[in-house]
Amino acid sequence: AQTVTQSQPEMSVQEAETVTLSCTYDTSESDYYLFWYKQPPSRQMILVIRQEAYKQQNATENRFSVNFQKAAKSFSLKISDSQLGDAAMYFCAYRSGGGSEKLVFGKGTKLTVNP
Amino acid sequence: DAGITQSPRHKVTETGTPVTLRCHQTENHRYMYWYRQDPGHGLRLIHYSYGVKDTDKGEVSDGYSVSRSKTEDFLLTLESATSSQTSVYFCAISEYGGGRTDTQYFGPGTRLTVL
Repeated sequence: AQTVTQSQPEMSVQEAETVTLSCTYDTSESDYYLFWYKQPPSRQMILVIRQEAYKQQNATENRFSVNFQKAAKSFSLKISDSQLGDAAMYFCAYRSGGGSEKLVFGKGTKLTVNP
Repeated sequence: DAGITQSPRHKVTETGTPVTLRCHQTENHRYMYWYRQDPGHGLRLIHYSYGVKDTDKGEVSDGYSVSRSKTEDFLLTLESATSSQTSVYFCAISEYGGGRTDTQYFGPGTRLTVL
């Protein structure tokens, strides 16, 4: 069974600086997808970014980018120019590429942004 | 934002009573999911549906049942609520249930407290 590990329960960053959130996963599959979701205090789960395992190029979405290291099974999220609105829980998630419907989530990292 | 609503948004109930949570979507997506979120566990899949009247179990399905009589509605029932089912419940939808362009989108969540 696949597992997702987020080793940092909490992180903090100063406004306008850069922070990196870590995620590692365990799988024997070669085809899969990885996601970062953001959950602000409103509880809404918001998709931040996704990465297909078959793509070597790291995904980017504005200030958010990932460092995908397939051999190391690592999928970190970098937030540049951090803003107060970035404060939230961040969840890393894995989905098999073989038609599986299930998302496997890590336990989350709470990000605090200090003004 | 994906058109997903959940009702009720908050509920307090007593041990042993039946509870039904409703998820409604306006996207006409085929796949629908129920997750629960607990501190220290991230999100875990309870049940999912891959079409009208087609459902299957997730990793934490004990004590829960589901039904889907229409594309737009997916019901989660706790036949006899227990305190261990106190949690935040999220509904999610996806168009294809897998594949390279598919992503799950989440509803706003329902906070359930079982006393």
